[in-house]
Amino acid sequence: EAQVTQNPRYLITVTGKKLTVTCSQNMNHEYMSWYRQDPGLGLRQIYYSMNVEVTDKGDVPEGYKVSRKEKRNFPLILESPSPNQTSLYFCASREQTGGTRGQYFGPGTRLTVL
Amino acid sequence: KNQVEQSPQSLIILEGKNCTLQCNYTVSPFSNLRWYKQDTGRGPVSLTIMTFSENTKSNGRYTATLDADTKQSSLHITASQLSDSASYICVVSAMNTGFQKLVFGTGTRLLVSP
Repeated sequence: EAQVTQNPRYLITVTGKKLTVTCSQNMNHEYMSWYRQDPGLGLRQIYYSMNVEVTDKGDVPEGYKVSRKEKRNFPLILESPSPNQTSLYFCASREQTGGTRGQYFGPGTRLTVL
Repeated sequence: KNQVEQSPQSLIILEGKNCTLQCNYTVSPFSNLRWYKQDTGRGPVSLTIMTFSENTKSNGRYTATLDADTKQSSLHITASQLSDSASYICVVSAMNTGFQKLVFGTGTRLLVSP
């Protein structure tokens, strides 16, 4: 089954404690992306990757890092989380050109930073 | 500035009734427009995609329209069901130098009441 998986699904942490949210896709997609979703603001792109070892900033990259060492994985790293990073995070992947199905989204990770 | 505005913000309808959601955009250069359905606590799922030359596209009880001249799209839901309760997100793609940039609306939250 074609899917994007994220782990963990729920995470409560404290300010400053480094964390990583993993993302994996099984569709051999070149393009992967991370979004955060906050009430009233919709989905905002954090980082994206066009292919292995190619990453770039989205609209709200501050406080986040990513890496793309393998095609299927695209982890999101918060080196020193702060309360304003409390949000719902989605990983997504798609074919390079967008394809007919658009982006496949993961199930989401709800992060709370105390 | 590239923007996507959706209306209404929220909507409550009775089961079996029809409804129409609106999406206005100022995205250039326009590539395509997608409607996504997002169930509570889940990632968005693509419903339809429309390119510049397409006026109408259906997916079951969902029918999307696009007026590229006025930069407006609508999503019509026929004979609503309780399972249609979700947020509906309009996403417009801008194609720039071969790279696709996505602009997200903030969504319309639909509640179908029995």
